[in-house]
Amino acid sequence: EAQVTQNPRYLITVTGKKLTVTCSQNMNHEYMSWYRQDPGLGLRQIYYSMNVEVTDKGDVPEGYKVSRKEKRNFPLILESPSPNQTSLYFCASSLGDKLWDTQYFGPGTRLTVL
Amino acid sequence: AQSVAQPEDQVNVAEGNPLTVKCTYSVSGNPYLFWYVQYPNRGLQFLLKYITGDNLVKGSYGFEAEFNKSQTSFHLKKPSALVSDSALYFCAVSGYSGAGSYQLTFGKGTKLSVIP
Repeated sequence: EAQVTQNPRYLITVTGKKLTVTCSQNMNHEYMSWYRQDPGLGLRQIYYSMNVEVTDKGDVPEGYKVSRKEKRNFPLILESPSPNQTSLYFCASSLGDKLWDTQYFGPGTRLTVL
Repeated sequence: AQSVAQPEDQVNVAEGNPLTVKCTYSVSGNPYLFWYVQYPNRGLQFLLKYITGDNLVKGSYGFEAEFNKSQTSFHLKKPSALVSDSALYFCAVSGYSGAGSYQLTFGKGTKLSVIP
């Protein structure tokens, strides 16, 4: 089944404790992206990647890191999480970066930083 | 930079009645528009998109959307609502950010409640 997977689905952590949220897609997509969803704000892009070893900032990159060492994986790293990073996170992928390409989303990771 | 407005935070409709979820957009160049649905505790699911051509786009689960270039709108519609359509709906526009990179910009979402 074609899908985007994320792990973990739920995570409660404390301020300053490094964490990684994994994202993997099995569709051989070139483009991958991370979003956060907050009530009343919709989805905002954190980082994106157009291919292996090519990443760039989205609208809200502060406090986050990403890497793209393999085409299928795009982990999101919070080196020193803070409470304002409590949010619902989504990974997405698309075939390419054409304006008409459809992005497909993972199931989400609900993160709480205490 | 592009933007999307969903003017209604919540839409209530009776089961069996037609539903409309509104969306207006702003983008430079040709508009590429998307609708996604989010069910509770689930990710976003793609419903439909407008690329070019026919102004009425048909998508999944009986949904359709009407593109209106002069009004810069892309409203989501369904002739007969089901209780199972109750969810959060997002409109999105694709364009290039200020830095020249491809970006999908979302509206804030509209919660649809279908009342039995």
